[in-house]
Amino acid sequence: GENVEQHPSTLSVQEGDSAVIKCTYSDSASNYFPWYKQELGKRPQLIIDIRSNVGEKKDQRIAVTLNKTAKHFSLHITETQPEDSAVYFCAASLSGGYQKVTFGTGTKLQVIP
Amino acid sequence: GAVVSQHPSRVICKSGTSVKIECRSLDFQATTMFWYRQFPKQSLMLMATSNEGSKATYEQGVEKDKFLINHASLTLSTLTVTSAHPEDSSFYICSSKPPSYNEQFFGPGTRLTVL
Repeated sequence: GENVEQHPSTLSVQEGDSAVIKCTYSDSASNYFPWYKQELGKRPQLIIDIRSNVGEKKDQRIAVTLNKTAKHFSLHITETQPEDSAVYFCAASLSGGYQKVTFGTGTKLQVIP
Repeated sequence: GAVVSQHPSRVICKSGTSVKIECRSLDFQATTMFWYRQFPKQSLMLMATSNEGSKATYEQGVEKDKFLINHASLTLSTLTVTSAHPEDSSFYICSSKPPSYNEQFFGPGTRLTVL
């Protein structure tokens, strides 16, 4: 089955700096890669996703890059703000139908004011 | 986006009792729902895939006789934790998606505490 590794497990940045979280996946058939933000005690919320036919996607301060050959994908948050502090999970799945999602191990991001 | 609800949000029970958690898709029909478990400071681990009208598919290491799943309608799946023990204390989250979406929609989660 799919295995998703995520690094780092914790990340502290100064407000205004950028944060980068990296993930690798094992199943070359995976073609949908969502990123979730989870605040303590709450459900994961999708913040951005990318499909394998795209190498990069950006939404305001958030961007995701995908290297399908290397099976790497990364989340980039620019101009970080204290409200960005949360746990972030990458994930991988097949798109279409009811495909199960495999989550990475999570990164706890702390943005220091 | 689509809406998935979950009930109860919190439950405290005594060891040995059973607890039922409901997951509902409020504005779409869900042929399939997913049940996850999340221990503190850990990731979401898929427990099982719930299929309407048929048996659930359990992930390796998840006891199907302990975690009973029923998906009797297109909008409701239930997870029953039978003979709960303190080690079953966790955050249980369900998810599903409308057929035309890639995005999974998660329920708000159920915090189970077994004393």
